[in-house]
Amino acid sequence: AQSVTQLDSQVPVFEEAPVELRCNYSSSVSVYLFWYVQYPNQGLQLLLKYLSGSTLVKGINGFEAEFNKSQTSFHLRKPTVHISDTAEYFCALHKRGNTGKLIFGQGTTLQVKP
Amino acid sequence: EAGVAQSPRYKIIEKRQSVAFWCNPISGHATLYWYQQILGQGPKLLIQFQNNGVVDDSQLPKDRFSAERLKGVDSTLKIQPAKLEDSAVYLCASSLGGGQLANTGELFFGEGSRLTVL
Repeated sequence: AQSVTQLDSQVPVFEEAPVELRCNYSSSVSVYLFWYVQYPNQGLQLLLKYLSGSTLVKGINGFEAEFNKSQTSFHLRKPTVHISDTAEYFCALHKRGNTGKLIFGQGTTLQVKP
Repeated sequence: EAGVAQSPRYKIIEKRQSVAFWCNPISGHATLYWYQQILGQGPKLLIQFQNNGVVDDSQLPKDRFSAERLKGVDSTLKIQPAKLEDSAVYLCASSLGGGQLANTGELFFGEGSRLTVL
């Protein structure tokens, strides 16, 4: 079975500082990996995805993530955060070649302070 | 391109009452999902349709929850009778579906329907 663990439930950070949101996954088969963002009272929006190829993936709003197969991690980073980045962030995986579902982590609340 | 549409956005009901949520996926998307997101948790899959057939409903509480996707397009999720613990946001999502080369597993989500059970 597959699972996703987000290591921090809340991450407070000051505006214009760098941030890293951590995600570890468990799977015996190859997977696709995703980061979604959820702003208050809205649905989930895709930030970025890793399908294959380069392990450094760039997404929208200046976010990037690095796939590390040996450590089974897919951490999300941004060099400079803004107040508008305050939101809930979800890491998720999808089993390759499957018609199945996305499996989500518990979520990390990013709180950007002025 | 129109996104995933859901209604109603908000619903407040008493326990033991019934409620229904509606979802219209992105045009051409064969696969439709209903997720339950309880406050402070990640979304959990309730049911997945491929066209109008059920692929996975292993986590759907079938004694009170039901869902259908007639004609393989829009879908309705019903709860009857509702319990306090059903208070959550119900997210509908769609994707291209399996068996297609373009299928990367990416899901497109609606804005959700927030249910409060009193």
